[in-house]
Amino acid sequence: DARVTQTPRHKVTEMGQEVTMRCQPILGHNTVFWYRQTMMQGLELLAYFRNRAPLDDSGMPKDRFSAEMPDATLATLKIQPSEPRDSAVYFCASGLGDGLYSNQPQHFGDGTRLSIL
Amino acid sequence: AQSVTQPDIHITVSEGASLELRCNYSYGATPYLFWYVQSPGQGLQLLLKYFSGDTLVQGIKGFEAEFKRSQSSFNLRKPSVHWSDAAEYFCAVGAAYSSASKIIFGSGTRLSIRP
Repeated sequence: DARVTQTPRHKVTEMGQEVTMRCQPILGHNTVFWYRQTMMQGLELLAYFRNRAPLDDSGMPKDRFSAEMPDATLATLKIQPSEPRDSAVYFCASGLGDGLYSNQPQHFGDGTRLSIL
Repeated sequence: AQSVTQPDIHITVSEGASLELRCNYSYGATPYLFWYVQSPGQGLQLLLKYFSGDTLVQGIKGFEAEFKRSQSSFNLRKPSVHWSDAAEYFCAVGAAYSSASKIIFGSGTRLSIRP
């Protein structure tokens, strides 16, 4: 079965360091989503792309977070500088269609567990 | 702005029993509604969604949900639960604005299955 691949699976780093999380969407999918899950805030949609163009990133702290799709096979989420409150599990998902309300389901990766010390 | 409430933090049901997980939302227009499941072995998965049309929505794994506008609810149901249904369930509400779409998740309901 085709899968969304996220790397790294785990990341521990010190406050102030740059963090880059990567996502390889399922081949042929044209939408990519980034989610964050924490104990305090629960699940949040950070940003999403359609055909590599950002459709919405209003859920993302702009001063330190950035999301890009350098090409159709790679999406990145960067945090610079990182802070302890960024500790969370970050999920990537990919799908087909117009975006968040497509009739096609999103397929989720296994997530990146990030710990900022 | 929209919001969503899942009043039950943790529910335990016996295997084979029926299940209903509650979800209430707040939104001024017709919402887009979702149910997701998160389990250790399967990760996050979309169970079903409601955008328009028939208010009773069928999803995967034998789940269904009914949109009740008068009650601002979108409760998830299953007639007979299996041990593999033990997981965390999240309801979400979405709203389409002119240039962006947003989705808000509930805090989740943890489902345990009693043998």
